[in-house]
Order: sequence, then structure tokens, then C-alpha cells
Amino acid sequence: ETGVTQSPTHLIKTRGQQVTLRCSSQSGHNTVSWYQQALGQGPQFIFQYYREEENGRGNFPPRFSGLQFPNYSSELNVNALELDDSALYLCASSLGADRDNEQFFGPGTRLTVL
Amino acid sequence: AQSVAQPEDQVNVAEGNPLTVKCTYSVSGNPYLFWYVQYPNRGLQFLLKYITGDNLVKGSYGFEAEFNKSQTSFHLKKPSALVSDSALYFCAVRDLNSGNTPLVFGKGTRLSVIA
Repeated sequence: ETGVTQSPTHLIKTRGQQVTLRCSSQSGHNTVSWYQQALGQGPQFIFQYYREEENGRGNFPPRFSGLQFPNYSSELNVNALELDDSALYLCASSLGADRDNEQFFGPGTRLTVL
Repeated sequence: AQSVAQPEDQVNVAEGNPLTVKCTYSVSGNPYLFWYVQYPNRGLQFLLKYITGDNLVKGSYGFEAEFNKSQTSFHLKKPSALVSDSALYFCAVRDLNSGNTPLVFGKGTRLSVIA
């Protein structure tokens, strides 16, 4: 059984650019959630994908978007990057869309926006 | 709205001593509570959860947490701390009576266990 993996590990971008982060869910899991963890803060829910459709969204602007693929891997896209987007982006997979299901987190992608 | 507070940014404890990491929550309905741990350059790892039943919940790595409804608290405890327990700990809550809302995390408490 493979765990949740994320790529890349680190990324540096400049303001206004676009970025794509990738996540492979744990084997057998069909749900992926994305979180933003700013420095010194806890993770904040961005959105969840269940069977390739968005299933809930946190308080993030539309320039944060995502995709889930038939193999349940997922991408997080952020357009028009701002300095405040600098954070650790965590992906978590689970079996089923129920928010009570245990989530398994990946190691994260650290994004720095200059 | 649901929220969680971790009043201590940092907790220092000597190896072998008991440790407590505090968490209080606010929900309008019944809480679903979690503790996660984060080691450097790693994602969050699940420690334990409470949804109903016995107020004392036992989890991974010898950790336990006590749910106290009257004090709206869910403090994390361990009888004897190890240096390897040094990490960042997050409490999270979800209101079971507010639909399929996501988990809300606290800001985290950094635990430092000194040999």
C-alpha cells in the first residue's frame, strides 16, 4: 500500500505567475482534499474532490482551482499568484466523501512566491 | 461557526515527565475532535479522534486525550514523554450537526521534549 505523495517538494514562483501542484492519493482512496498551511498557522481547507467532482470548498478565491483524474490523483492550480499564497500545500486522501473519514496526508509542497 | 483554540504556542517538558497539550473548541452542535502530529518536512499524521463514547480516547504512540464537554476541551496527554515526541501538534474539530463541513484546525502547539 503506497501512501500519499506530492510533487514538487519545493517551488519558487513570482507574483502573477501560475502554479500546478500534484497529489497521488493512497491506494484505494477516491477522495482528495487540499489544504493551505501558512507559516505558524494550522491547515486551512481549500476544497475536496470526490470521484472527479468538486465536493465542497473553503474560503478561497476562484483563482484556486483543482482537478481530479480517473485514477483519483489530483492537481491544485493557483493563478495570478500573490505573496500571501506562500505556504505549505497539503493534500489528504480518504475513502469516501464523508468528512468524518480518516484523512491521510502527504508531505506537502512548499510554495514560495517572490 | 466552529473554531478551535490551542492556547500554548510552545510546550517544554523533560523526558520521562507527563505532557499535556491543551485544546478548547467551539461548536453549535456535537463535536468531532481530532489530534494530528506534524514532524519536520512531513505531512500531518493522525493520532486519535473522538466522536462519541468514552471520554478518554487512546491513540497512537501512547498518546491519549480526554474529552470534557462542560469545559469544551480535548487536551492531549502522555504519561511519559520521549525526545522523539518533539513535533508540532494540531487539534481539529468538526461540528457534526452542520452538514458535511470540513475540519477546522488550531494554530498548532510545538512540543519540545528535553533529554
